[in-house]
Amino acid sequence: AQKITQTQPGMFVQEKEAVTLDCTYDTSDQSYGLFWYKQPSSGEMIFLIYQGSYDEQNATEGRYSLNFQKARKSANLVISASQLGDSAMYFCAMREFQGAQKLVFGQGTRLTINP
Amino acid sequence: KAGVTQTPRYLIKTRGQQVTLSCSPISGHRSVSWYQQTPGQGLQFLFEYFSETQRNKGNFPGRFSGRQFSNSRSEMNVSTLELGDSALYLCASSSGTGHYEQYFGPGTRLTVT
Repeated sequence: AQKITQTQPGMFVQEKEAVTLDCTYDTSDQSYGLFWYKQPSSGEMIFLIYQGSYDEQNATEGRYSLNFQKARKSANLVISASQLGDSAMYFCAMREFQGAQKLVFGQGTRLTINP
Repeated sequence: KAGVTQTPRYLIKTRGQQVTLSCSPISGHRSVSWYQQTPGQGLQFLFEYFSETQRNKGNFPGRFSGRQFSNSRSEMNVSTLELGDSALYLCASSSGTGHYEQYFGPGTRLTVT
């Protein structure tokens, strides 16, 4: 069964520093997608970045990059030059394209950026 | 392009009642998924509709049901409400093909008393 694990319940980082949020996953599918979402205190889930299992290059979207290590089943989110507005919950998620075909989320990491 | 809208934003219901939540996806999106978010269980998948057909279903009791209309708008219904149904209910839309990026609405906060 597909599973997402985020081992960092909370992280505190100084403004302008880079931060890495950890995510490991488990699946028996060969074809799957990995996603990161941000959830501010308002509650809305904001899509950040996508990585496909067959993508050879790590995905990047502005200040966000995904460090994809397929053999280790790891999909860490890297935020460069953190800003106060980055303070939020961050969720890693996965969708199997052959198996369950539903989006499964990890428990999330609460990121706090200190000025 | 307008985002995903959900109505109502807040609801207070009593145990035993039923509730219907509504979701309008991004224009052109044919897939709508529903999720329940609680502090204890996190984000859990309820079901996905694509072109008016339920494509996937999570592990929730039959009290939770949904449907999708020809304009892709979706409704979710919960009958015989229980205290444990208090949660943030999130709707997400996607094209239903390709990478399946899902774009979420602001959610409906349901409180059952």
